[in-house]
Amino acid sequence: AQKVTQAQTEISVVEKEDVTLDCVYETRDTTYYLFWYKQPPSGELVFLIRRNSFDEQNEISGRYSWNFQKSTSSFNFTITASQVVDSAVYFCALRPPETSGSRLTFGEGTQLTVNP
Amino acid sequence: DSGVTQTPKHLITATGQRVTLRCSPRSGDLSVYWYQQSLDQGLQFLIQYYNGEERAKGNILERFSAQQFPDLHSELNLSSLELGDSALYFCASSVGGSTNEKLFFGSGTQLSVL
Repeated sequence: AQKVTQAQTEISVVEKEDVTLDCVYETRDTTYYLFWYKQPPSGELVFLIRRNSFDEQNEISGRYSWNFQKSTSSFNFTITASQVVDSAVYFCALRPPETSGSRLTFGEGTQLTVNP
Repeated sequence: DSGVTQTPKHLITATGQRVTLRCSPRSGDLSVYWYQQSLDQGLQFLIQYYNGEERAKGNILERFSAQQFPDLHSELNLSSLELGDSALYFCASSVGGSTNEKLFFGSGTQLSVL
């Protein structure tokens, strides 16, 4: 069975602070994909990043960066110089290979509030 | 805009009633997924269809059913509604349903059962 844990339920920071959202996952599969989605107050789920389990290279996209460590089953997400518009719920998700059903398993989400 | 359209955006109904939620996937996407988001359960996978056929089933109640039509739009039918069915229901689509594909989500249908 797959499981995704986002231990931080809520995080509150002041604008321009850096913030890291933690994600730990469990799976018996050797091949899988990890995702981060953002849910702003408007409610829709917005795709942020996808990472293959074989690719442990960290990724940076503007103010966003992701640290994937297979040894600790973690896929953490850092926002540098946070802005008010970053306020949202962020979900980490795991997708196993199709032989295991290929459904997205989401974590509980982390509510990020960036205050001006 | 993800390209996935869900209607209606809001739905208020009473216990015991039946409702239908509709989803139009992105142009060209063959897979449609339904997810339920509630405060106590979080985001839960309900069911997936691929090109008209059921491909995967999650935590979907027997009172719920879905289908995907030849034009690839999908409907989620919820019957004998209970208070606990109140939730945000998301539809998502992807090209084929492979593990590496990202899912594009609609804006959701907020269902309130009174």
